This record gives sequence, C-alpha cells and structure tokens, in this order.
Amino acid sequence: AQTVTQSQPEMSVQEAETVTLSCTYDTSESDYYLFWYKQPPSRQMILVIRQEAYKQQNATENRFSVNFQKAAKSFSLKISDSQLGDAAMYFCAYRGSYNFNKFYFGSGTKLNVKP
Amino acid sequence: DTEVTQTPKHLVMGMTNKKSLKCEQHMGHRAMYWYKQKAKKPPELMFVYSYEKLSINESVPSRFSPECPNSSLLNLHLHALQPEDSALYLCASSQDKARLLNTEAFFGQGTRLTVV
Repeated sequence: AQTVTQSQPEMSVQEAETVTLSCTYDTSESDYYLFWYKQPPSRQMILVIRQEAYKQQNATENRFSVNFQKAAKSFSLKISDSQLGDAAMYFCAYRGSYNFNKFYFGSGTKLNVKP
Repeated sequence: DTEVTQTPKHLVMGMTNKKSLKCEQHMGHRAMYWYKQKAKKPPELMFVYSYEKLSINESVPSRFSPECPNSSLLNLHLHALQPEDSALYLCASSQDKARLLNTEAFFGQGTRLTVV
C-alpha cells in the first residue's frame, strides 16, 4: 500500500520569510498525482498545489512551489514571503492509478507564522 | 460552483439518538467521500461512493450508515454512537475517472460532531 510521510509535526516561520515542508511517499506505481492541502482553523481542506508524476517541471502557484524529486520519492512544499494567513495544518496527499478513488494523506505539519 | 456544502456545521447527540449528516455538490463529480478527522490528525477515509454505488467501506462500524440518493447528495446516518465517535466529519468529492487523476478532492467545511 502507498504510504505518505511528513516528518515535521510542527514548524515555525517568521512573517515574510521562506519555509519548506517535507513529504516523502512510497509507491510502486508510475502514474500518480501529489497534492498539498491546507487546513486552517476554519476546518475546510483547501488545495494549495498539485504535481503530476510524469511532469519533470515543478509546480508553482504564486508564493507556493514544490520540489518534486521522483527518484527520491520526495515532494516538499516551499512557501515564500510567508503571511499570517498561511498558518494552518498542511497535509501532503497521494492519488495513484491503481486505487484511484483513494487519497493517501500524510500525518500533517502544523505551520505557525510569527509576526 | 466549486463548493461542497455540509450540514449541519455542528451537532451534539446522545448515544441513543439517530441523526444524519448531509453533503451536496454540483460539480458533476461522480466520486463522493466521507472522512473522519480527529484533532491534529489527517482525515481517515470511511466510505467512497462511485457513480452512486458504495465502492469502498474501510471497515466502519455499522452504527455509521452511508447513503447516496443521487449524484449530488451524500448522507451519513448515525445511530447509537459512542463518545469516541466525536470528531470532525468531512465530505469530499472528485472526478472518478482514472485518466483524470489530476483532479483533486474538494472538501466541505465539515460537521463537528459531539456524542454525549
């Protein structure tokens, strides 16, 4: 079964600084997608960014970018110019082609942003 | 419309009560999900419906009974719950085609359930 690991339970960053959240995954599939979700105290899970496994180019969305290392099965999220509104739980998720109706989530990283 | 709407937002129920959680989406998604989430933990998958048919049941106790009346609605019927069932219950939807793996799951805001 696929596993997703987030090794940082909690991280802190100063406002306007850059922070990187780590995620590794284990799979034998070649066709899959990876996601970073944000869950603020308001509870709703919001997609931050997605990455297709077959694309070598790292995805970017404004201040959010990923470092996708397929061979290393690593998928880290970089947040630039951190803002107070970035404070939330961040979950890394995997969706593969074999069992495509299952999303596998990591254990999450709580991000604190200090003013 | 990219929303998944869940009602109610909060629910307190006794262990002998029967209640239902509701979820609605109008994005044409044919996969709908129920997740249970404890504080500071990732969502745990409970059920998946694909084209209105139950496709995944993650060995959930029978006191939780899902229902998918049509392609836009998903219910979770609750009966004889235990205090340890208190959690945030999230509904989600997504495309259900292997070639559309690029689509994410869209989540509702959840129902905060407290069993007393």
